[in-house]
Amino acid sequence: GDSVTQMEGPVTLSEEAFLTINCTYTATGYPSLFWYVQYPGEGLQLLLKATKADDKGSNKGFEATYRKETTSFHLEKGSVQVSDSAVYFCALGPQGGSEKLVFGKGTKLTVNP
Amino acid sequence: NAGVTQTPKFQVLKTGQSMTLQCAQDMNHNSMYWYRQDPGMGLRLIYYSASEGTTDKGEVPNGYNVSRLNKREFSLRLESAAPSQTSVYFCAIQTMTGELFFGEGSRLTVL
Repeated sequence: GDSVTQMEGPVTLSEEAFLTINCTYTATGYPSLFWYVQYPGEGLQLLLKATKADDKGSNKGFEATYRKETTSFHLEKGSVQVSDSAVYFCALGPQGGSEKLVFGKGTKLTVNP
Repeated sequence: NAGVTQTPKFQVLKTGQSMTLQCAQDMNHNSMYWYRQDPGMGLRLIYYSASEGTTDKGEVPNGYNVSRLNKREFSLRLESAAPSQTSVYFCAIQTMTGELFFGEGSRLTVL
C-alpha cells in the first residue's frame, strides 16, 4: 500500500543553519505531495505542496521538489529561525478513489538561538 | 472566518464515561475527518465522512462512533472511555485539491 517515510527526529539545529528533512514515499499512482507543520499546542497547517513531478513547492523560505525518479519530497530551508521550531509532517495526497491522505510520523525540529 | 472549530478543547474523563467531541466547519467542503495524535505514533485516522450522510472507518475506529449531522458538523463519540483513548483529537476538512485544514485539537485525558 501507499506509505510515507520521514527521517527520524528529533532534529536540533542552531539558528541560521541549513535544514533538510528527508521524505520518501511509495505510491501506485502520482499523488500530490504535502508538507504540514505543527507548532506547539496547535493543529497542523499546510506548509507547501506539489502536484506533479518536478514541481517545487515553497513557502516561508521552505522548499521541496517532487522527485518522481527518487520518490522523494525532501524539505529544505537555507537559514532556520527559532520560530521554525515545530513538528513537520510529510503527506501523500488522496488517489485512486481514496479520500485519505497518508502521513509520515513527523519530525520534530528544535532551533536554538 | 473560523475554518474548523472543535469543542471542547480540553476534557478529563473517568474510565467508562461517555462524551462527544464536536466539529463544525464554515468552509463548505464535503470531506471531514477525525484523527488522533499520540507521541511517537504520528496521526492516525479514526473515521472520515466523504459527504453528508456517509461515514467510513479509518485505521483505528474501535471504541468510537461518528455522526455526520449535516454538511457543517461531524461529531466523534466515545461511548465508554478507556485510558488508551487519552490523546489529542483533531478534526479536519479536505478541499477538492486534497489539502487538509485542521482544527486546533481537543485534548482528552481518561483516568
